[in-house]
Amino acid sequence: QSALTQPASVSGSPGQSITLSCTGTSTDVGRFNLVSWFQQHPGKAPRLIIYEVTKRPSGVSNRFSGSKSANTASLTISGLQAEDEADYYCCSYGGSTTFVVLGGGTKLTVL
Amino acid sequence: QVQLVQSGAELKKSGASVKVSCKASGYTFTDYYIHWVRQAPGQGLEWMGWLNPDSGSTNYGQIFQGRVIMTRDTSINTAYMELTGLRSDDTALYYCTRGPRLSPSWGDLWGQGTLVTVSS
Repeated sequence: QSALTQPASVSGSPGQSITLSCTGTSTDVGRFNLVSWFQQHPGKAPRLIIYEVTKRPSGVSNRFSGSKSANTASLTISGLQAEDEADYYCCSYGGSTTFVVLGGGTKLTVL
Repeated sequence: QVQLVQSGAELKKSGASVKVSCKASGYTFTDYYIHWVRQAPGQGLEWMGWLNPDSGSTNYGQIFQGRVIMTRDTSINTAYMELTGLRSDDTALYYCTRGPRLSPSWGDLWGQGTLVTVSS
């Protein structure tokens, strides 16, 4: 059982905007602005697309954006493209003892 | 070229140990923690712990404490993850990844993964 809750699957059409949610608690997502999002295509290593809630690493499309409200973090993908079809994992800092809490992942299907 | 290169696939018997290596290049090895993450077939990511290559200090995920040992050899810019008492449910792809030493964020660079298969 994952510590962060993500929907198992979501789908959208090309060009649409879609938002993936990631729900934690007041001891992780709600407490720290240290939520990351990873994208993983089949057979590939994960790729960091958002860190510290809203920041994008160099080279990541600005179609990806992150936000947070209370204990829930969100990843929004605008102008959905076929290449966005992948698994998406959220991750939060959980403090010096727990350190990392991960979500179970969301499978995004582009229709 | 900034990269992490991991050792090859392993096939182990139940109860045995496995040691996976992760060689860093293209950046200052001691400036970044090395994190280990695994992924069982068809499953999600599972964080195992981190190693500070500078001091050698570690922080292991609760479910791995007592079974995982993370070490490094700074002379060859290589980190190691040893998992003992292997069980069939340890069959997974094991990744190393890095995180800046002064930040809890991690994951901007990943190794290619090492498949560990545990058979009975």
